[in-house]
Amino acid sequence: QKEVEQNSGPLSVPEGAIASLNCTYSDRGSQSFFWYRQYSGKSPELIMSIYSNGDKEDGRFTAQLNKASQYVSLLIRDSQPSDSATYLCAVQGAQKLVFGQGTRLTINP
Amino acid sequence: GAVVSQHPSRVICKSGTSVKIECRSLDFQATTMFWYRQFPKQSLMLMATSNEGSKATYEQGVEKDKFLINHASLTLSTLTVTSAHPEDSSFYICTCRGTTGNTIYFGEGSWLTVV
Repeated sequence: QKEVEQNSGPLSVPEGAIASLNCTYSDRGSQSFFWYRQYSGKSPELIMSIYSNGDKEDGRFTAQLNKASQYVSLLIRDSQPSDSATYLCAVQGAQKLVFGQGTRLTINP
Repeated sequence: GAVVSQHPSRVICKSGTSVKIECRSLDFQATTMFWYRQFPKQSLMLMATSNEGSKATYEQGVEKDKFLINHASLTLSTLTVTSAHPEDSSFYICTCRGTTGNTIYFGEGSWLTVV
């Protein structure tokens, strides 16, 4: 079982709709969870971090964490073409940050 | 925000030669630096963790004699790919954790092409 799992996609969403990205992780002791956006050929950039159960909102982005289910998600409201990218879920263990395989998201105008 | 600089951003080298990639934290001290490799359409895979002044800890399956990591100061770590082969062609990314807090900062990445 992979440590961090994501659906690789591609996920296509019409402009203006809500994009929903999901991630599961295997280490129950994980405490910190992150969503990164990566454009083709570029390094990932942090868009959201979440540390406790529940929802965390930042602009059009909402991260949701459920530690009992070992599940973390990212919602993007009012999706824009510029949101088209690969989204990486990352989970912080005791020492290292482990990434999922990423979900390729395309927003269709 | 904190800046992490990688150099070179792109490099092409001949098969069998060695190439060095530098990772610098520009406005903070990085006690721990992590080196990742990303093949096309794949995720970031951790290669090694380096702490300033000590030997790097390599992930399973990563050859420490092929990927030499030196973390000589709190602001500089280098990755040297020795005897490079075309299959080493990849995007190499360093990340840094500062002396305070748990925030991890990403370098811009270095594209290595071995021909």
